[in-house]
Amino acid sequence: DVKVTQSSRYLVKRTGEKVFLECVQDMDHENMFWYRQDPGLGLRLIYFSYDVKMKEKGDIPEGYSVSREKKERFSLILESASTNQTSMYLCASSFLPHQETQYFGPGTRLLVL
Amino acid sequence: SQQGEEDPQALSIQEGENATMNCSYKTSINNLQWYRQNSGRGLVHLILIRSNEREKHSGRLRVTLDTSKKSSSLLITASRAADTASYFCATSKAAGNKLTFGGGTRVLVKP
Repeated sequence: DVKVTQSSRYLVKRTGEKVFLECVQDMDHENMFWYRQDPGLGLRLIYFSYDVKMKEKGDIPEGYSVSREKKERFSLILESASTNQTSMYLCASSFLPHQETQYFGPGTRLLVL
Repeated sequence: SQQGEEDPQALSIQEGENATMNCSYKTSINNLQWYRQNSGRGLVHLILIRSNEREKHSGRLRVTLDTSKKSSSLLITASRAADTASYFCATSKAAGNKLTFGGGTRVLVKP
């Protein structure tokens, strides 16, 4: 069965902290994605990766970076957390590129104080 | 602006009734997908319809696609309380292009 896991369900951080959000998939998928979800704005793509050590910017990459050292793991990094990064963060993976079915993790709700 | 816009934003129905929601988009697409999200959880893929398809079924779900009107509809028949969730459409403009999600329709199925 397809499984995408995220390291935390809830996270509270302070402004200026460096934050790591981890995502792991066990499906041997090439493609992995990070989205943030905010009320009324739907899901917005932050970064994606189509292979190990490869990354591409999405629609809103500012303030974020990513790391993909292993195929199964895709990390989202907030270099210096700000209150406007309070959001729900969703990781997804897919076997085929972007436009095919994506499998989502349960999400991490991040609160930056 | 978002490629996919769902309508209505919220829907409340009784158990057993059908629920219909629509998705409109602005530019031509390669495919359109529907996802479900239970409260506070990740999204679950429901169905994918390609631009050359007009209708698709999966269990109690029926999806239609009208590329001339740039719209899609998702019908849930004989709804159950467990169908209470938000439903999102997502479109991709062309092969290799990213998915763009709409704002979602919140569906409440009352027992």
